[in-house]
Amino acid sequence: EVQLVESGGGLVQPGGSLRLSCAASGFTFSSYWMSWVRQAPGKGLEWVANIKQDGSEKYYVDSVKGRFTISRDNAKNSLYLQMNSLRAEDTAVYYCARESRGRVAFDYWGQGTLVTVSS
Amino acid sequence: DIQMTQSPSSVSASVGDRVTITCRASQGISSWLAWYQQKPGKAPKLLIYAASSLQSGVPSRFSSSGSGTDFTLTISSLQPEDFATYYCQQANSFPPTFGGGTKVEIK
Repeated sequence: EVQLVESGGGLVQPGGSLRLSCAASGFTFSSYWMSWVRQAPGKGLEWVANIKQDGSEKYYVDSVKGRFTISRDNAKNSLYLQMNSLRAEDTAVYYCARESRGRVAFDYWGQGTLVTVSS
Repeated sequence: DIQMTQSPSSVSASVGDRVTITCRASQGISSWLAWYQQKPGKAPKLLIYAASSLQSGVPSRFSSSGSGTDFTLTISSLQPEDFATYYCQQANSFPPTFGGGTKVEIK
């Protein structure tokens, strides 16, 4: 059974940093692109970043470029999101999601971890 | 970026009703569209990919059609567990973008 379990969320002050983790199991992690998708309270879904199977390619939504860094450790079946210079508008539930074969959808999602940026 | 517009933003329906949700892309996306269901406090769940392919385990009362810019998700006979918010997402070009969601509520 595919499982994605996020951790690392919490309350952080504006300008602060946080590192999210996603532990994957039930599939060959190193064979899939992985993404982070976020959802602000009461709002819709926004793709944030993704990373290729071997970590050689990484892409970001414009609003987080230069502040967030996605990475992965295939030996540990883990995905990460380092978030720096956090802003109030980064407040959201952050989901780890697996990109399907052919990258046509996000076929499995974690339960999400809440990041709150507030003073 | 490709903008995805869903309508209606909410719909009230009864168990057994046929419900149709539309999704329009700001430019052509061929058939690279996915639909998700999200219940309160839960992660989204993939229902349909490539515009009309049902994800494994998803009931056949869910169907979708369309190509280019206009797509529809249809629930043929609404069940109690189908009350949720539905999102479309384009996978044609970077970055992937989602529609604003359609909330299916109990009438």
